[in-house]
Amino acid sequence: RKEVEQDPGPFNVPEGATVAFNCTYSNSASQSFFWYRQDCRKEPKLLMSVYSSGNEDGRFTAQLNRASQYISLLIRDSKLSDSATYLCVVIFDRGYSTLTFGKGTMLLVSP
Amino acid sequence: DTAVSQTPKYLVTQMGNDKSIKCEQNLGHDTMYWYKQDSKKFLKIMFSYNNKELIINETVPNRFSPKSPDKAHLNLHINSLELGDSAVYFCASSQDPSSGRYSYEQYFGPGTRLTVT
Repeated sequence: RKEVEQDPGPFNVPEGATVAFNCTYSNSASQSFFWYRQDCRKEPKLLMSVYSSGNEDGRFTAQLNRASQYISLLIRDSKLSDSATYLCVVIFDRGYSTLTFGKGTMLLVSP
Repeated sequence: DTAVSQTPKYLVTQMGNDKSIKCEQNLGHDTMYWYKQDSKKFLKIMFSYNNKELIINETVPNRFSPKSPDKAHLNLHINSLELGDSAVYFCASSQDPSSGRYSYEQYFGPGTRLTVT
């Protein structure tokens, strides 16, 4: 089983739609969770951290379910500029902490 | 005022050649990383250095040799290039992961697109 799994998509949505991505992780001892965003042919950038209590940043809401080992990202009122690949990132404790990336979910927002 | 820079941005070379990629960060971070993103877009860590000391060395062929002359620089030298080495190589930096709550945020360079023919 892969350590971090995501539906690769693409998710095609119209502007203004609400879209949700899920990500599952295999290691129950995982420590920290993040969503990164990667635009086409660009570097990944941190979108938001994911906290146990859930957190919101504008139109973006992240949730963590430790019992089921999944993380979600909800985007409300999608904009054209939200088109990108969203990478789920997990930190496993292997004696040192290292980020493990999912393969990403591609989102395409159309006019 | 680029935070993490890499050179070159594009690198086209033939099989069997030796090449280097350079990375520099001006964020004052203690830890630097090399990642490889293959054609399937999977981003995988290769190496990590903390204060010039190697702390992560994933299963990478020994044709790849990182070097950190100081904590602001992390270079990657690749010997005897193979077709399978074609990928985008990203450098990243972060604060020492043990230093604080938000220190896991990694800042990535723009990537070096390596094509081996």
